[in-house]
Amino acid sequence: EVQLVESGGGSAQPGGSLRLSCAASGFTLGVYTMNWVRQVPGKGLEWTSYISSSSRTIFYADSVRGRFTVSRDNAKNSLYLQMNSLRDEDTAIYYCVRDLGVPYNPGFDIWGQGTMVTVSS
Amino acid sequence: QSVLTQPPSASGTPGQRVTISCSGSSSNIGSHTVNWYQQLPGTAPKLLIYSNNQRPSGVPDRFSGSKSGTSASLAISGLQSDDEADYYCAVWDDSLSGPVFGGGTKLTVL
Repeated sequence: EVQLVESGGGSAQPGGSLRLSCAASGFTLGVYTMNWVRQVPGKGLEWTSYISSSSRTIFYADSVRGRFTVSRDNAKNSLYLQMNSLRDEDTAIYYCVRDLGVPYNPGFDIWGQGTMVTVSS
Repeated sequence: QSVLTQPPSASGTPGQRVTISCSGSSSNIGSHTVNWYQQLPGTAPKLLIYSNNQRPSGVPDRFSGSKSGTSASLAISGLQSDDEADYYCAVWDDSLSGPVFGGGTKLTVL
């Protein structure tokens, strides 16, 4: 079964850090572009980051650029999101998402179940 | 406030046809293809339509997408109670150099 499973969510204080992980199974992560998308519970979806299969191309949303770092370890079939300088507004469910791989086309065909990040003092 | 505008809500009765609109600009819908997602309550989103009008394997042909100029639409025919969900459009935006989602439309089956 093709699956993405996120982990690493939890609580952090403003200014703190968390590292999210995403384990892929049922397919070879290394051939796919991947993204992280977040959603405040009860609100809409927000794309945060994109990483190409080779890690050569990385994009970030303005809201997280300079604070979040996306990376991957294709040998471990894993994707990561290092979140630093966390803010209250980073509180959300974070989804690891597989990309269809068509340039400039956000076709996200496989989603993880999401991991909740809560930033609060 | 998203750069893509969707109506916050839509409704229909079983068997009806409903459409959900997504309005953008030349830097997004006007230049790139549109995708649609369905999010059932308490679950992760699911890709419903990609590249304006293509259905992934397993998506019923009751769901269809179209695009014209800087707007796109999702149509659902033969409405069923299981279609009650939030629907989001998504497209690449050249000005933002990244994907953007619409604000979402909550579909209620009366």
